[in-house]
Amino acid sequence: AQSVTQPDIHITVSEGASLELRCNYSYGATPYLFWYVQSPGQGLQLLLKYFSGDTLVQGIKGFEAEFKRSQSSFNLRKPSVHWSDAAEYFCAVDPGGGADGLTFGKGTHLIIQP
Amino acid sequence: NAGVTQTPKFQVLKTGQSMTLQCAQDMNHNSMYWYRQDPGMGLRLIYYSASEGTTDKGEVPNGYNVSRLNKREFSLRLESAAPSQTSVYFCASQTGNYNEQFFGPGTRLTVL
Repeated sequence: AQSVTQPDIHITVSEGASLELRCNYSYGATPYLFWYVQSPGQGLQLLLKYFSGDTLVQGIKGFEAEFKRSQSSFNLRKPSVHWSDAAEYFCAVDPGGGADGLTFGKGTHLIIQP
Repeated sequence: NAGVTQTPKFQVLKTGQSMTLQCAQDMNHNSMYWYRQDPGMGLRLIYYSASEGTTDKGEVPNGYNVSRLNKREFSLRLESAAPSQTSVYFCASQTGNYNEQFFGPGTRLTVL
């Protein structure tokens, strides 16, 4: 079955440390890939997206993600996290490139330690 | 430019009551979506409308109906609310460019 997996439910990182959030997908072809962030009580904001071309994509707020076809992965990274990065992060996939909606992972809750 | 707006922000219903969640976008997008978010489940697609005049079921449509009133507005109706429909509901609209979706602030619904 087609799916999006975020293996880590919670991640705790010290402020200033580096961050990597994992995302794996299971689809026949390379889908469109997205990372969204949700601050408490808020809607979702797009961090970055991948469709084709350069496998390392840059996003807002200093985030980047790398698409690895061989591993069916699209991991999110940030070199140095700030307390304001504490939030829920969702990986999402559009398998067909059409208008029939995104499939989301279950999310990773990021906690920042001072 | 307000983006995607949703009303109400909060709602408490009793089992069996009905209500309509409203969504509007001012970005001239063709496609609109309703998702529900439950703890540990991520977002799941309820219904979507690829263009004005069309609607289709998503992953979890049971217990819901939708109306694409015009290009701007896409409403979600619960005819007879059940406690299992307690959730946070998000509306989204989609650009034509690479399927980027823009989300509203959400409606937090509790069914007692």
